[in-house]
This record gives sequence, structure tokens and C-alpha cells, in this order.
Amino acid sequence: QKEVEQDPGPLSVPEGAIVSLNCTYSNSAFQYFMWYRQYSRKGPELLMYTYSSGNKEDGRFTAQVDKSSKYISLFIRDSQPSDSATYLCAMTAYGGATNKLIFGTGTLLAVQP
Amino acid sequence: EAGVVQSPRYKIIEKKQPVAFWCNPISGHNTLYWYRQNLGQGPELLIRYENEEAVDDSQLPKDRFSAERLKGVDSTLKIQPAELGDSAVYLCASSPGTGNGYTFGSGTRLTVV
Repeated sequence: QKEVEQDPGPLSVPEGAIVSLNCTYSNSAFQYFMWYRQYSRKGPELLMYTYSSGNKEDGRFTAQVDKSSKYISLFIRDSQPSDSATYLCAMTAYGGATNKLIFGTGTLLAVQP
Repeated sequence: EAGVVQSPRYKIIEKKQPVAFWCNPISGHNTLYWYRQNLGQGPELLIRYENEEAVDDSQLPKDRFSAERLKGVDSTLKIQPAELGDSAVYLCASSPGTGNGYTFGSGTRLTVV
């Protein structure tokens, strides 16, 4: 069993829809949770960073962490065609640069105009 | 800020040939990472440098892979000899050592034929 599980999709939604992306994990030591966006033939770009449980909002993006269920989510409101990309969750036990990130497989999202 | 610069962007080689990838991290970033991303998968850490010291190379296949980071700035990742299974995107990332998340480069897409 992988430490981080993520549905690979693809997920296709109409423009303006609310998108929900999710990951589950097995390692209870994980405390730092990230979402990266990766456009085709580009490197991952950090979208959201959260520590421990709770919610964090940034514009149209909301990240949620439920450590009791080992479940994290990314919500995208008013989705745009420019949001079409692969979304990778990542997590680690320690903050800063000292610990490697464990990534999910990524979910491919297509927002149809 | 130029971001993390990688070259070449694409490389096609025959199996058993050597290949090298180059990375220039963001200025002032002490921590440098090499990740490998197989098709449809999330990135996986190969090696992490703190300045010029490799502090985590547990995932690097040392029989054929080598890396160096001279003067704690640029880094080179080498494969010799390459195998078909090495076909992947090789991502370089850097971090200032504090704060959250990394900055990735666009990667080098290696195809071994």
C-alpha cells in the first residue's frame, strides 16, 4: 500500500464548477500538507501549504486537512479552463527543507469552457 | 528571479549510453533536490543536498546514478549506463532551508531507446 493515495482521474468539469480533489494517507506522522499544480511539460508549482488539521483559503482555492481521518482535500471554486492541470498532493512529517516530500500520483483535471 | 533552471529540457539516448542533467537553483537556496517523476506518477526523491553535502541519497541507485553539487550552487545528475527503465522526467528543486515547500524547475524529460 502506498503511503499517499490519490485518484488519478481524469476529472472533467464545466467552467464555473466547484472542484474537489482528495488524498488519503497512512502515515500518522505527516503534519505538513501541500498541493502542487503541474501543467503539461512543466514542473510542479506550490499552490497551498497547511500545517496539521484545519482549513486554509487563498482566493478560489481552499485546502482542508482532517488528520483524524488521514484525509486532505483541495477545493477550487469558480473553476476556469486555466485550472486544467494535474494536481499533486504532497506531505511530510517535518517542516522546512529537512524532510522529503511524499507525493500522490496526481489527479488530472480538465475544465471545459 | 529566474527560478530553478534545468537543462537540457529533453534528451533521447540509446540504452547503455551515459547522460547528464544540469540544475541551477534559485540564488541563495542552500537546499537542492533531485526528484524523478515516472509517467502518471508523483515525483520521488533521489537525493537532497545541503550546500555541497549530500545529506539524503538513500533513494539514489548508486550503481548507475551519481550526483554532485560543486561549491554548493549548481548540481549535475549523471546516469551511466542508462537503462530503458530510466525513462522519466528528472526534476530539480531548491529551498532556502526555512519556510514551506520547494520551487521546482521544469525538468528534463529523458527517453531511453
